[in-house]
Amino acid sequence: KAGVTQTPRYLIKTRGQQVTLSCSPISGHRSVSWYQQTPGQGLQFLFEYFSETQRNKGNFPGRFSGRQFSNSRSEMNVSTLELGDSALYLCASSLVYSQETQYFGPGTRLLVL
Amino acid sequence: GIQVEQSPPDLILQEGANSTLRCNFSDSVNNLQWFHQNPWGQLINLFYIPSGTKQNGRLSATTVATERYSLLYISSSQTTDSGVYFCAGSGGTASKLTFGTGTRLQVTL
Repeated sequence: KAGVTQTPRYLIKTRGQQVTLSCSPISGHRSVSWYQQTPGQGLQFLFEYFSETQRNKGNFPGRFSGRQFSNSRSEMNVSTLELGDSALYLCASSLVYSQETQYFGPGTRLLVL
Repeated sequence: GIQVEQSPPDLILQEGANSTLRCNFSDSVNNLQWFHQNPWGQLINLFYIPSGTKQNGRLSATTVATERYSLLYISSSQTTDSGVYFCAGSGGTASKLTFGTGTRLQVTL
């Protein structure tokens, strides 16, 4: 079975732009969670999607949004980028609940200049 | 929300040595996982262990849910074990994982 895939792997943007990141979960997995990793804040939960519905949300501003499609693929969008949004964005999938074993993708490294 | 503390923050071992990493939780959790992050950033799930003991090769983990802690044991360490080890958990009906700050392990020859 193929693992979790994320595209693109690397991205450079400038302040004020917006960005869309994509995540394809393991086949058959329906829960997709997003995390942001920075040296200062560590790994922080962004949101979780299940059956095209946001099931849980972390403490991030409204500039961070996401969605899930009927095939369980998920996208996250960050609008009006700030320097502090530079981070590794990780996507994780699990069968049904994020309380189950979570499998992470390789991440997207975003640099905001 | 749940707070997660990991110790030690840094660890340097010689190849072949054993080590124990600890994770403490501020509240009870019904979901506890250990991960290894390699130098390229990939997080690999090591154990899903809300309670009890599990073993996988040179790695084993024990969670004592009633005392809100979990231990990860690495035996006969190898250079490929280097990286950052994270524990993460969630409690109640919360579906989000709260991560600790990690233990950075360096295994030297």
